[in-house]
Amino acid sequence: DQQVKQNSPSLSVQEGRISILNCDYTNSMFDYFLWYKKYPAEGPTFLISISSIKDKNEDGRFTVFLNKSAKHLSLHIVPSQPGDSAVYFCAAARFTGTASKLTFGTGTRLQVTL
Amino acid sequence: DAGVTQSPTHLIKTRGQHVTLRCSPISGHKSVSWYQQVLGQGPQFIFQYYEKEERGRGNFPDRFSARQFPNYSSELNVNALLLGDSALYLCASSSQGAMNTEAFFGQGTRLTVV
Repeated sequence: DQQVKQNSPSLSVQEGRISILNCDYTNSMFDYFLWYKKYPAEGPTFLISISSIKDKNEDGRFTVFLNKSAKHLSLHIVPSQPGDSAVYFCAAARFTGTASKLTFGTGTRLQVTL
Repeated sequence: DAGVTQSPTHLIKTRGQHVTLRCSPISGHKSVSWYQQVLGQGPQFIFQYYEKEERGRGNFPDRFSARQFPNYSSELNVNALLLGDSALYLCASSSQGAMNTEAFFGQGTRLTVV
């Protein structure tokens, strides 16, 4: 049961343009959503997060939008840069009384071309 | 500042053997989580430890076990290795147990079972 889905395995965008990465989830109990970037041979690096009570969070070139009614979130990167080329994972967190657990999507490989 | 460190970085084991993976969290972080990432998939939650106690467990067999030490470092143990255990094992540290909105990942241990 894949609770967090990234339906696009890859995306190619020209440098300077906007990159939009999408993520869908099925569990309405998730409290937080996060985006991680991963380069080969490295662990995931945290990018940006959003609480389930908000619909937008912005940090520099990165903006995350959350549509709770559609159970959909997206990451916008503008302008895209060649260094943004990596695999991007969407993750959802649920807080219980004593623990938190991240549920990841399968990732989208972003390639930013010159 | 030292980030999350994992050892070893690469490991080759034979089916049926046992393996121990190690993780040192960021200084001051008391929570350590373990994730398994199989090629082409997102990381899957295995365990979370906070203040040396298990706070969460994913859907993994009893062959997987872990512990956290007084200095908050952690070990992941896998017994009776199967070919399917070949994966990248990621350790993440965070400052809190519950309500944890950001986890910092190490570079991972690449385990190959032959």
